Amino acid sequence: ELKVEQNPLFLSMQEGKNYTIYCNYSTTSDRLYWYRQDPGKSLESLFVLLSNGAVKQEGRLMASLDTKARLSTLHITAAVHDLSATYFCAVDTGAQKLVFGQGTRLTINP
Amino acid sequence: SQTIHQWPATLVQPVGSPLSLECTVEGTSNPNLYWYRQAAGRGLQLLFYSVGIGQISSEVPQNLSASRPQDRQFILSSKKLLLSDSGFYLCAWIVGVGAFFGQGTRLTVV
Repeated sequence: ELKVEQNPLFLSMQEGKNYTIYCNYSTTSDRLYWYRQDPGKSLESLFVLLSNGAVKQEGRLMASLDTKARLSTLHITAAVHDLSATYFCAVDTGAQKLVFGQGTRLTINP
Repeated sequence: SQTIHQWPATLVQPVGSPLSLECTVEGTSNPNLYWYRQAAGRGLQLLFYSVGIGQISSEVPQNLSASRPQDRQFILSSKKLLLSDSGFYLCAWIVGVGAFFGQGTRLTVV
């Protein structure tokens, strides 16, 4: 059974700082996704990582995938308050079913 | 373009009452559809998925059921709600580039 673990689960940081959220998964997969969820809202797709070594960047967020290590990272550069949200990674089991991590609640303080 | 609709957005129901949540997809045919539930402050739990009309797979035993009466319609139901059924329910359409979510239904069972 595929397990997906994120850490940290809670992250409070100051504006302007850099930080990384980690997503580890337990079985082989080469498809990993990152989502953002604002309070009370649905999930919004951020990144799609479809191969080993894939790196995607959008603004202050950059995601990468290492399928050999079964690890994905979401790096935040020079954080701003608007990035405060909960971030989820999700791994495709191979049968078009996604297993989600627990989520990382990110709070960025002025 | 493809869109996914889910309603209602908010629902307050008494214990023991029935439930029907509807999800429809536009702009595609034969989509893989999913129902997820998110407890407060938690990750997403896959409840049901469907790869076609009348085809339903259940991931966890529970008080809920799902149906796929039409190609682009997916319904989540219960005959008698329990307090533990409260949560945020999300319908999703999954393709190779990840999951697209409906707006979600916040269900409170009282």
